[in-house]
Amino acid sequence: AQRVTQPEKLLSVFKGAPVELKCNYSYSGSPELFWYVQYSRQRLQLLLRHISRESIKGFTADLNKGETSFHLKKPFAQEEDSAMYYCALSGEASGTYKYIFGTGTRLKVLA
Amino acid sequence: ETGVTQTPRHLVMGMTNKKSLKCEQHLGHNAMYWYKQSAKKPLELMFVYNFKEQTENNSVPSRFSPECPNSSHLFLHLHTLQPEDSALYLCASSPSPGTEQFFGPGTRLTVL
Repeated sequence: AQRVTQPEKLLSVFKGAPVELKCNYSYSGSPELFWYVQYSRQRLQLLLRHISRESIKGFTADLNKGETSFHLKKPFAQEEDSAMYYCALSGEASGTYKYIFGTGTRLKVLA
Repeated sequence: ETGVTQTPRHLVMGMTNKKSLKCEQHLGHNAMYWYKQSAKKPLELMFVYNFKEQTENNSVPSRFSPECPNSSHLFLHLHTLQPEDSALYLCASSPSPGTEQFFGPGTRLTVL
């Protein structure tokens, strides 16, 4: 089955602590992986994508094909990182595109 | 307003009503999408349009009818909805299918 799993609904960390938001996927082809973020009272927006291999707002994510994971990491959490984070994948199969989102993880960074 | 806009932002309708949701993107993208976001459920892709052609319909009930007159506008026509259809409906666009998506603010739909 094709799916994206985010095992944690809520993750609370203290400011300055490392953060890791977990994402595992199941997909038969070669998907593209994304992390989207939704800050309070703002719309859903892209945070980063695996093919870019860049760091955005201090966050990085490495695609591990062996473990089918795409965990989001930040070495030192900031209060402004508090938001809802969604892992997503897109893939093409037989000429149609699949877009699958995880259920999301709410990150709370405590002062 | 730039980016992806959606109207109305809130909608309350009875089960026998007919209404439409509108989405507009000012980004020059070729692909547009409708998603449903319910409480306790992940974002569910409903429809995908690429260059005005529907390329994906994820087994959505026929009471939801999309329309894409051009690559900048997307509609979702609603008729004889059920209370369980109450949700946040999000529109998104992307340069092409499979690339990063830009989301609108959503329409909060309540079906009585």
